[in-house]
Amino acid sequence: NAGVTQTPKFQVLKTGQSMTLQCAQDMNHNSMYWYRQDPGMGLRLIYYSASEGTTDKGEVPNGYNVSRLNKREFSLRLESAAPSQTSVYFCASRKTSGGAGDTQYFGPGTRLTVL
Amino acid sequence: AQTVTQSQPEMSVQEAETVTLSCTYDTSESNYYLFWYKQPPSRQMILVIRQEAYKQQNATENRFSVNFQKAAKSFSLKISDSQLGDTAMYFCAFMNSGTYKYIFGTGTRLKVLA
Repeated sequence: NAGVTQTPKFQVLKTGQSMTLQCAQDMNHNSMYWYRQDPGMGLRLIYYSASEGTTDKGEVPNGYNVSRLNKREFSLRLESAAPSQTSVYFCASRKTSGGAGDTQYFGPGTRLTVL
Repeated sequence: AQTVTQSQPEMSVQEAETVTLSCTYDTSESNYYLFWYKQPPSRQMILVIRQEAYKQQNATENRFSVNFQKAAKSFSLKISDSQLGDTAMYFCAFMNSGTYKYIFGTGTRLKVLA
């Protein structure tokens, strides 16, 4: 049981390049989330998916797109990377029902640098 | 809109001593959840403790306990018998039961001194 996995762990892009961050969970959770973490600002929600087939914008969605490929996978795409998107990106999942269904479990994060 | 405020950017404590991290939040909702997450240098976000707003009893997990004051909208974390491994960033988080979105505070960096 790996929990929440993210690939890659590190990435350097040039301005204007595109890339997709991958996230997968093996806990059979319904909801999945993408956050970015910047110094002094805590975690901010980019997008989330309450269940398979649905996605919704969070606090900072501009410049990003997401795909809930199936129940296990939730990807985040940067179509044209900008230096302002330099950050650490976290994926998380949540069960949504039953005991502790409110609790999110996080992946190890991806450190992205845009030059 | 909900907000979460952690007013202590950095704190330090001697090993084996007790330290309290503060967190306040603002919401008009009555049904919600509160969390403390720990982020060590490894960057992994680890759940420390959670509290349901409808429960009056304060949550405890081994050396970690909270002081939940619903009327004051305060949710502080007490770490007893601090250990070197407690050195980390600590984030307070709020989840609205209706939207299921989390709001995080800006974090408190805790250093445990030998």
